Amino acid sequence: KQEVTQIPAALSVPEGENLVLNCSFTDSAIYNLQWFRQDPGKGLTSLLLIQSSQREQTSGRLNASLDKSSGRSTLYIAASQPGDSATYLCAVHNNDMRFGAGTRLTVKP
Amino acid sequence: DTAVSQTPKYLVTQMGNDKSIKCEQNLGHDTMYWYKQDSKKFLKIMFSYNNKELIINETVPNRFSPKSPDKAHLNLHINSLELGDSAVYFCASRISRSGNTIYFGEGSWLTVV
Repeated sequence: KQEVTQIPAALSVPEGENLVLNCSFTDSAIYNLQWFRQDPGKGLTSLLLIQSSQREQTSGRLNASLDKSSGRSTLYIAASQPGDSATYLCAVHNNDMRFGAGTRLTVKP
Repeated sequence: DTAVSQTPKYLVTQMGNDKSIKCEQNLGHDTMYWYKQDSKKFLKIMFSYNNKELIINETVPNRFSPKSPDKAHLNLHINSLELGDSAVYFCASRISRSGNTIYFGEGSWLTVV
């Protein structure tokens, strides 16, 4: 059974700092991996989707990498802003979709 | 147009009641899901349907019964509600079981009092 772990559980950084969020999974036979953002009291917003054959995807200040063989993904956020404060969820697609517990990010002005 | 829509968005009800949450997707997807997000914000899959057929049924009390009248709809019915059922329930869909992006509804906030 696929297990997804996200480290750290919470992260607080000053505005402007670059940061990395980590996601690891136990079963490398995945179709793809997806990063989401969730604001308090809101639904999920898809940020980046990486296919199993890809190594990374970029969108604006976000870059997600995937190392399927080692069961790891990272989400890199450049020049963080207070508006980036949210919970970031990693989800892995096998025959269903399993989520990590999330990293709660706070970017201080 | 909302791709995945859930109703109601908020629901407060008493213990012991029976309630339903409805979900509809207008994306033409084959696969739909129900997820539960508990107070610790952990998202856990409950059910998955593919073309109206149940394919995933995690360890969920049998008070929870999904119903898929057609592949665009996946409703969640909950009998004899308990305090521990209070959570946010998310419906989601994707084009197929191995498909690409999964699309989530806005969530239904259920509070059992």
